[in-house]
Amino acid sequence: ILNVEQSPQSLHVQEGDSTNFTCSFPSSNFYALHWYRWETAKSPEALFVMTLNGDEKKKGRISATLNTKEGYSYLYIKGSQPEDSATYLCAFLSGGSYIPTFGRGTSLIVHP
Amino acid sequence: NAGVTQTPKFQVLKTGQSMTLQCAQDMNHEYMSWYRQDPGMGLRLIHYSVGAGITDQGEVPNGYNVSRSTTEDFPLRLLSAAPSQTSVYFCASSTQGVNGYTFGSGTRLTVV
Repeated sequence: ILNVEQSPQSLHVQEGDSTNFTCSFPSSNFYALHWYRWETAKSPEALFVMTLNGDEKKKGRISATLNTKEGYSYLYIKGSQPEDSATYLCAFLSGGSYIPTFGRGTSLIVHP
Repeated sequence: NAGVTQTPKFQVLKTGQSMTLQCAQDMNHEYMSWYRQDPGMGLRLIHYSVGAGITDQGEVPNGYNVSRSTTEDFPLRLLSAAPSQTSVYFCASSTQGVNGYTFGSGTRLTVV
């Protein structure tokens, strides 16, 4: 079983704050790292697919970085809004498998 | 474009009953997976398939069977339901994880 860790487990911030979360994964046999956004009562939706060391991806106020050599990825949210409230999942895919192993997620609550 | 369709959305079973959770995708994805979501445990892989006729076990396969006779369909069978199988079940599909996984809307199963 691959070890994919996310921290913090939960986070409460005020509207307008910027925040970031961490995903740690095995540094060997890397294929891809996914970030998903999961709103309550909905299904996870893919935010980013990252495949290369040093990758940086951005979608609006959300961005992510990737370090495959040391086995971590950061997700940043700039100027958090209440609609950003969700659980953010990362998933590690190893070469030859292509089946994601998910972390337990970071639950973000943005207070107006 | 329907994406990934899961049925039923809700189900209550008695201990010992069997049932099949249906999953169908119309995106011609080779990879399909079943996950269960339990509080504090994140998404855990039950079974997966890398193409028609090919299936394999994930992290928590006991008590579940799958088959993949077509590219589109990947049903999950509960052989003899137990209260420990009370969970939310998600089906997901992808093309080798290149573009991330697309999730179904989930099935909330209660075993009494």
